[in-house]
Amino acid sequence: DTEVTQTPKHLVMGMTNKKSLKCEQHMGHRAMYWYKQKAKKPPELMFVYSYEKLSINESVPSRFSPECPNSSLLNLHLHALQPEDSALYLCASSQGEASGSKSEAFFGQGTRLTVV
Amino acid sequence: GEDVEQSLFLSVREGDSSVINCTYTDSSSTYLYWYKQEPGAGLQLLTYIFSNMDMKQDQRLTVLLNKKDKHLSLRIADTQTGDSAIYFCAERGYIPTFGRGTSLIVHP
Repeated sequence: DTEVTQTPKHLVMGMTNKKSLKCEQHMGHRAMYWYKQKAKKPPELMFVYSYEKLSINESVPSRFSPECPNSSLLNLHLHALQPEDSALYLCASSQGEASGSKSEAFFGQGTRLTVV
Repeated sequence: GEDVEQSLFLSVREGDSSVINCTYTDSSSTYLYWYKQEPGAGLQLLTYIFSNMDMKQDQRLTVLLNKKDKHLSLRIADTQTGDSAIYFCAERGYIPTFGRGTSLIVHP
Protein backbone atom coordinates (compact mmCIF):
# COMPACT_ATOMS: atom_id res chain seq x y z
CA ASP A 1 0.00 0.00 0.00
CA THR A 2 1.67 3.19 -1.20
CA GLU A 3 -1.35 5.36 -0.70
CA VAL A 4 -1.72 8.69 1.00
CA THR A 5 -5.38 9.53 1.50
CA GLN A 6 -6.62 13.09 1.81
CA THR A 7 -10.09 14.26 2.73
CA PRO A 8 -12.10 16.09 1.65
CA LYS A 9 -11.30 16.21 -2.05
CA HIS A 10 -12.98 19.60 -2.43
CA LEU A 11 -13.75 22.27 0.16
CA VAL A 12 -15.43 25.65 -0.14
CA MET A 13 -15.29 27.83 2.95
CA GLY A 14 -16.06 31.36 3.94
CA MET A 15 -13.47 33.68 5.41
CA THR A 16 -14.98 33.34 8.90
CA ASN A 17 -15.23 29.54 8.86
CA LYS A 18 -13.09 26.98 10.65
CA LYS A 19 -12.36 23.77 8.78
CA SER A 20 -9.80 20.97 8.80
CA LEU A 21 -8.00 19.01 6.12
CA LYS A 22 -7.06 15.44 6.87
CA CYS A 23 -4.30 13.18 5.63
CA GLU A 24 -3.68 9.52 6.41
CA GLN A 25 -1.00 6.98 5.48
CA HIS A 26 -0.39 3.41 6.61
CA MET A 27 3.06 2.87 5.16
CA GLY A 28 4.83 3.35 8.49
CA HIS A 29 6.35 6.59 7.25
CA ARG A 30 7.69 8.85 9.97
CA ALA A 31 7.85 12.10 7.98
CA MET A 32 4.73 13.87 6.75
CA TYR A 33 4.42 17.09 4.81
CA TRP A 34 1.90 19.73 3.84
CA TYR A 35 2.36 21.52 0.52
CA LYS A 36 0.35 24.29 -1.10
CA GLN A 37 0.08 24.36 -4.88
CA LYS A 38 -1.33 27.19 -6.96
CA ALA A 39 -2.35 26.57 -10.56
CA LYS A 40 0.53 26.01 -12.98
CA LYS A 41 3.08 26.26 -10.14
CA PRO A 42 5.17 23.67 -8.31
CA PRO A 43 4.18 22.60 -4.81
CA GLU A 44 5.44 24.91 -2.07
CA LEU A 45 6.38 23.38 1.25
CA MET A 46 4.39 24.56 4.27
CA PHE A 47 5.15 22.17 7.14
CA VAL A 48 7.17 19.05 7.87
CA TYR A 49 6.48 16.65 10.73
CA SER A 50 9.11 14.15 11.72
CA TYR A 51 8.25 11.48 14.29
CA GLU A 52 5.06 13.38 15.07
CA LYS A 53 6.92 16.58 15.91
CA LEU A 54 6.87 19.75 13.83
CA SER A 55 10.34 20.12 12.37
CA ILE A 56 9.84 22.73 9.65
CA ASN A 57 7.42 25.65 9.40
CA GLU A 58 8.11 27.63 6.25
CA SER A 59 6.91 30.92 7.75
CA VAL A 60 3.30 29.94 7.20
CA PRO A 61 0.65 32.38 8.57
CA SER A 62 -0.97 31.31 11.82
CA ARG A 63 -4.35 30.94 10.15
CA PHE A 64 -2.94 27.56 9.08
CA SER A 65 -2.37 25.26 12.05
CA PRO A 66 -0.97 21.76 11.55
CA GLU A 67 -1.49 18.86 13.92
CA CYS A 68 -0.10 15.34 13.97
CA PRO A 69 -2.24 13.25 16.35
CA ASN A 70 -0.31 10.05 15.62
CA SER A 71 2.18 8.61 13.18
CA SER A 72 -0.49 7.86 10.56
CA LEU A 73 -2.47 11.09 10.62
CA LEU A 74 -1.76 14.68 9.73
CA ASN A 75 -4.32 17.48 9.95
CA LEU A 76 -4.31 21.05 8.76
CA HIS A 77 -6.69 23.33 10.67
CA LEU A 78 -7.90 26.38 8.80
CA HIS A 79 -9.29 29.55 10.33
CA ALA A 80 -10.01 33.02 8.96
CA LEU A 81 -8.54 32.27 5.55
CA GLN A 82 -8.29 34.75 2.72
CA PRO A 83 -9.37 34.25 -0.91
CA GLU A 84 -5.69 34.13 -1.94
CA ASP A 85 -5.35 30.96 0.17
CA SER A 86 -7.43 29.14 -2.42
CA ALA A 87 -5.20 26.38 -3.81
CA LEU A 88 -4.61 22.65 -3.97
CA TYR A 89 -3.29 21.43 -0.62
CA LEU A 90 -1.15 18.34 -0.91
CA CYS A 91 -0.09 15.98 1.81
CA ALA A 92 2.95 13.73 1.40
CA SER A 93 4.82 11.18 3.47
CA SER A 94 8.22 9.52 3.35
CA GLN A 95 10.16 6.99 5.38
CA GLY A 96 12.19 9.74 6.95
CA GLU A 97 13.24 13.27 6.27
CA ALA A 98 16.96 12.58 6.40
CA SER A 99 18.99 13.75 3.46
CA GLY A 100 20.72 11.04 1.50
CA SER A 101 18.16 8.33 2.06
CA LYS A 102 15.93 6.86 -0.61
CA SER A 103 13.03 8.51 1.08
CA GLU A 104 10.85 9.21 -1.88
CA ALA A 105 7.81 11.21 -0.97
CA PHE A 106 4.40 9.80 -1.80
CA PHE A 107 1.66 12.32 -2.36
CA GLY A 108 -2.05 12.30 -1.81
CA GLN A 109 -4.53 13.52 -4.42
CA GLY A 110 -4.92 16.81 -2.63
CA THR A 111 -7.77 18.92 -1.32
CA ARG A 112 -8.96 21.63 -3.69
CA LEU A 113 -9.72 24.54 -1.36
CA THR A 114 -11.75 27.57 -2.40
CA VAL A 115 -12.11 30.49 0.01
CA VAL A 116 -15.06 32.77 -0.71
CA GLY B 1 20.04 27.46 -1.72
CA GLU B 2 18.77 24.67 -3.91
CA ASP B 3 17.30 25.54 -7.28
CA VAL B 4 15.73 23.24 -9.84
CA GLU B 5 15.07 24.49 -13.38
CA GLN B 6 12.86 23.03 -16.09
CA SER B 7 11.54 24.23 -19.42
CA LEU B 8 7.84 25.06 -19.13
CA PHE B 9 6.32 23.42 -22.21
CA LEU B 10 6.89 20.50 -24.56
CA SER B 11 4.64 19.54 -27.44
CA VAL B 12 5.03 16.21 -29.24
CA ARG B 13 3.08 14.02 -31.65
CA GLU B 14 1.60 10.76 -30.45
CA GLY B 15 4.07 7.91 -30.99
CA ASP B 16 7.13 10.16 -30.88
CA SER B 17 9.61 10.26 -28.01
CA SER B 18 9.46 13.06 -25.45
CA VAL B 19 12.50 14.35 -23.60
CA ILE B 20 11.98 16.55 -20.55
CA ASN B 21 15.06 18.24 -19.12
CA CYS B 22 15.93 19.49 -15.67
CA THR B 23 18.95 21.12 -14.06
CA TYR B 24 19.60 21.29 -10.36
CA THR B 25 22.15 22.96 -8.14
CA ASP B 26 22.41 20.90 -4.95
CA SER B 27 25.32 18.53 -5.58
CA SER B 28 24.59 16.71 -2.32
CA SER B 29 21.31 15.34 -3.70
CA THR B 30 21.50 11.59 -3.41
CA TYR B 31 18.28 10.79 -5.20
CA LEU B 32 16.48 12.65 -7.97
CA TYR B 33 12.86 12.04 -8.83
CA TRP B 34 10.33 12.54 -11.57
CA TYR B 35 6.70 13.14 -10.66
CA LYS B 36 3.68 13.35 -12.96
CA GLN B 37 0.66 15.51 -12.23
CA GLU B 38 -2.53 15.23 -14.25
CA PRO B 39 -5.05 18.10 -14.16
CA GLY B 40 -6.72 18.43 -10.77
CA ALA B 41 -4.80 15.50 -9.31
CA GLY B 42 -1.98 14.99 -6.86
CA LEU B 43 1.60 14.07 -7.72
CA GLN B 44 2.38 10.57 -8.89
CA LEU B 45 5.93 9.33 -8.40
CA LEU B 46 7.08 8.03 -11.78
CA THR B 47 10.67 7.05 -11.18
CA TYR B 48 13.85 8.00 -9.38
CA ILE B 49 17.57 7.67 -9.93
CA PHE B 50 20.39 7.33 -7.45
CA SER B 51 23.15 9.87 -7.92
CA ASN B 52 25.84 7.26 -8.64
CA MET B 53 23.89 6.01 -11.67
CA ASP B 54 24.03 7.44 -15.19
CA MET B 55 20.90 5.87 -16.53
CA LYS B 56 17.84 4.03 -15.38
CA GLN B 57 15.23 2.43 -17.63
CA ASP B 58 11.74 1.46 -16.58
CA GLN B 59 9.49 0.31 -19.44
CA ARG B 60 8.85 3.40 -21.60
CA LEU B 61 10.74 5.70 -19.25
CA THR B 62 14.47 6.36 -19.40
CA VAL B 63 16.17 8.65 -16.91
CA LEU B 64 19.59 10.06 -17.73
CA LEU B 65 21.76 11.77 -15.14
CA ASN B 66 24.82 13.87 -15.84
CA LYS B 67 26.07 14.57 -12.35
CA LYS B 68 28.97 16.71 -13.55
CA ASP B 69 26.61 19.13 -15.29
CA LYS B 70 23.82 18.56 -12.74
CA HIS B 71 21.48 17.70 -15.60
CA LEU B 72 18.63 15.22 -15.42
CA SER B 73 16.35 14.14 -18.24
CA LEU B 74 13.27 11.97 -18.62
CA ARG B 75 12.65 10.29 -21.94
CA ILE B 76 9.21 8.85 -22.66
CA ALA B 77 9.21 6.44 -25.60
CA ASP B 78 6.12 6.06 -27.81
CA THR B 79 4.37 8.98 -26.14
CA GLN B 80 0.62 8.54 -25.76
CA THR B 81 -2.16 11.09 -25.23
CA GLY B 82 -2.48 9.74 -21.69
CA ASP B 83 1.03 11.00 -21.01
CA SER B 84 -0.20 14.61 -21.28
CA ALA B 85 0.45 16.11 -17.85
CA ILE B 86 2.86 18.31 -15.95
CA TYR B 87 6.14 16.63 -15.10
CA PHE B 88 8.15 17.79 -12.08
CA CYS B 89 11.70 16.87 -11.35
CA ALA B 90 12.63 16.93 -7.68
CA GLU B 91 15.81 16.63 -5.73
CA ARG B 92 15.88 14.99 -2.36
CA GLY B 93 17.88 17.07 -0.03
CA TYR B 94 16.59 17.70 3.47
CA ILE B 95 13.15 18.18 1.97
CA PRO B 96 11.89 17.51 -1.55
CA THR B 97 12.50 20.52 -3.79
CA PHE B 98 10.59 20.75 -7.03
CA GLY B 99 11.26 22.31 -10.39
CA ARG B 100 8.61 24.55 -11.94
CA GLY B 101 7.20 21.67 -13.96
CA THR B 102 7.08 20.95 -17.70
CA SER B 103 3.68 20.77 -19.36
CA LEU B 104 3.75 17.92 -21.87
CA ILE B 105 1.14 18.21 -24.61
CA VAL B 106 0.66 15.19 -26.84
CA HIS B 107 -1.06 15.72 -30.21
CA PRO B 108 -2.89 12.86 -31.93
